[in-house]
Amino acid sequence: GNSVTQMEGPVTLSEEAFLTINCTYTATGYPSLFWYVQYPGEGLQLLLKATKADDKGSNKGFEATYRKETTSFHLEKGSVQVSDSAVYFCALSDLKGTYKYIFGTGTRLKVLA
Amino acid sequence: SQTIHQWPATLVQPVGSPLSLECTVEGTSNPNLYWYRQAAGRGLQLLFYSVGIGQISSEVPQNLSASRPQDRQFILSSKKLLLSDSGFYLCAWSVPNGYQYFGPGTRLTVL
Repeated sequence: GNSVTQMEGPVTLSEEAFLTINCTYTATGYPSLFWYVQYPGEGLQLLLKATKADDKGSNKGFEATYRKETTSFHLEKGSVQVSDSAVYFCALSDLKGTYKYIFGTGTRLKVLA
Repeated sequence: SQTIHQWPATLVQPVGSPLSLECTVEGTSNPNLYWYRQAAGRGLQLLFYSVGIGQISSEVPQNLSASRPQDRQFILSSKKLLLSDSGFYLCAWSVPNGYQYFGPGTRLTVL
């Protein structure tokens, strides 16, 4: 079945450091891929998405490229801020029928000033 | 624009007591609705989803049940809570493009 694997956290970085959070997936067909962010005590917010191979999703300085050959969707940001501290979830969906998502376990990011 | 509401925001309940969490969506019709649970330090687990009024699919066997009495209302219930039911409960909705939008969540503590 479909699955998503994220790197274990927590990830601790200094402000302005480069961020990579790895995400790989297993799926039949051609799923859409997402990154969601959860700030402390809040629900999840859609951060970015990509619906087909080689698509690059981007938002708020974050980027992720849909790599079908490596079945990956790694999240990157060139210069993190303290306000980026949150839990990041990678997810996939076939966007058909029930549109169920499969989520990764989440990666906690802590950015220090 | 669409909005999703959940209440209560926090809840502390004794073991064996009943539970009712409510989720409502505004600004859209016939959405797909979802209940997730996030246990402490763990990822998201899909509990139930619904594609229409009265239609509920359960993803995992458990002590909980869900109902959809109206198009934009989704309720999560239990007759007798267990300690293991503690967690952060998230409701979400989606439309045909499939992107899911999440509510603010309910933090449930069972003592």
